[in-house]
Amino acid sequence: QITLKESGPTLVKPTQTLTLTCTFSGFSLSTSGVGVGWIRQPPGKALEWLALIYWDDDKRYSPSLKSRLTITKDTSKNQVVLTMTNMDPVDTATYYCAHNGIAVAAYFDYWGQGTLVTVSS
Amino acid sequence: DIQMTQSPSTLSASVGDRVTITCRASQSISSWLAWYQQKPGKAPKLLIYKASSLESGVPSRFSGSGSGTEFTLTISSLQPDDFATYYCQQYNSYSGLTFGGGTKVEIK
Repeated sequence: QITLKESGPTLVKPTQTLTLTCTFSGFSLSTSGVGVGWIRQPPGKALEWLALIYWDDDKRYSPSLKSRLTITKDTSKNQVVLTMTNMDPVDTATYYCAHNGIAVAAYFDYWGQGTLVTVSS
Repeated sequence: DIQMTQSPSTLSASVGDRVTITCRASQSISSWLAWYQQKPGKAPKLLIYKASSLESGVPSRFSGSGSGTEFTLTISSLQPDDFATYYCQQYNSYSGLTFGGGTKVEIK
């Protein structure tokens, strides 16, 4: 059974760096073709893809946010970490991590419950 | 970036209705499209991938069609559990995955 869970701060101040951790079970990020992505959703708004990391350490970023994002993995801990620099109130959103099981088809078949991050001074 | 436009943004329907949601891509994405259902306060749930492939465990009243730039999600007979928001997502280019703006299916 595949599960994912996001963790990190619920409140960050403007200009700070956000660090979120996705801890997963039921699959390995060392298995060929497997990836983990991050997606966010501002309150009442649509989903927005942020980043994706694959078993071979291939990393993909949203072009509009690429300069602010870093995604890394720790295969031994079954974790993926996303950092986002220079946080702004418009970055207030629920942040989800999700499993992608086929590298050539980047859709997400399992999702974490999400974590709400508020950016405010 | 490939832009995804969903219509309508809101849809009012009754139990038993046939419902169709459209998603248009700003350029051809072949069949690299997924559909998700999201209920308030919950994570999205994958319904359809590769435009028309039904995810395991998803009821057969859900179906997807289309290729190129125009796609549809159809619910053949709307059930009470189907009132939710639906999103399309293109994965033609994983240098830039994009979601549509969502379609909220409300009770008429």
